[in-house]
Amino acid sequence: DTGVSQDPRHKITKRGQNVTFRCDPISEHNRLYWYRQTLGQGPEFLTYFQNEAQLEKSRLLSDRFSAERPKGSFSTLEIQRTEQGDSAMYLCASSPPGSGSRELFFGEGSRLTVL
Amino acid sequence: AQKVTQAQTEISVVEKEDVTLDCVYETRDTTYYLFWYKQPPSGELVFLIRRNSFDEQNEISGRYSWNFQKSTSSFNFTITASQVVDSAVYFCALSEAVNYGQNFVFGPGTRLSVLP
Repeated sequence: DTGVSQDPRHKITKRGQNVTFRCDPISEHNRLYWYRQTLGQGPEFLTYFQNEAQLEKSRLLSDRFSAERPKGSFSTLEIQRTEQGDSAMYLCASSPPGSGSRELFFGEGSRLTVL
Repeated sequence: AQKVTQAQTEISVVEKEDVTLDCVYETRDTTYYLFWYKQPPSGELVFLIRRNSFDEQNEISGRYSWNFQKSTSSFNFTITASQVVDSAVYFCALSEAVNYGQNFVFGPGTRLSVLP
């Protein structure tokens, strides 16, 4: 399968613990996005990478959130000192290089439950 | 700032009925892109269509068709002869010309239930 891969698919953690999610984009895609989706809502933008550079971060991304894409391939999203409000589906998407706005290809998401 | 409105929160139809999902957008850019995505119960968002602001030609793909009208800032999606497998949440999205993350905005979605 050559789609966007996310791991783990589900994570249950206790409040205050740290969690890390991994995303492997489609191999030739240089753009990578993280979104958060809560029940009944559309995806909300968190952060964006072009190659290894993190070009944008949403105001939704507090200091407890950090994302990396060290070699321009896979990316990690870490949440420190999790809170119950962090419970959501975390979606990774990638898009190919090229002019204009290209469609996003999404992974299956990582569902986080904070107890 | 750009915005996408999908006024229909939930729609139920009986199989074989036609159904139209509405999408209204706001943007100050003259160059932008519109998208529709499907999110079935399995959860993965599936890309359906991309349209740029200079191409108002309607598009048909099988049972799916899209009606883009710049005059009303709408990009509506019609499913003809709906099937149970069409049951999903459908999202309309807008991206302004510069392909930066903040500028790719999703609407709240419309949940479509197709009953047998």
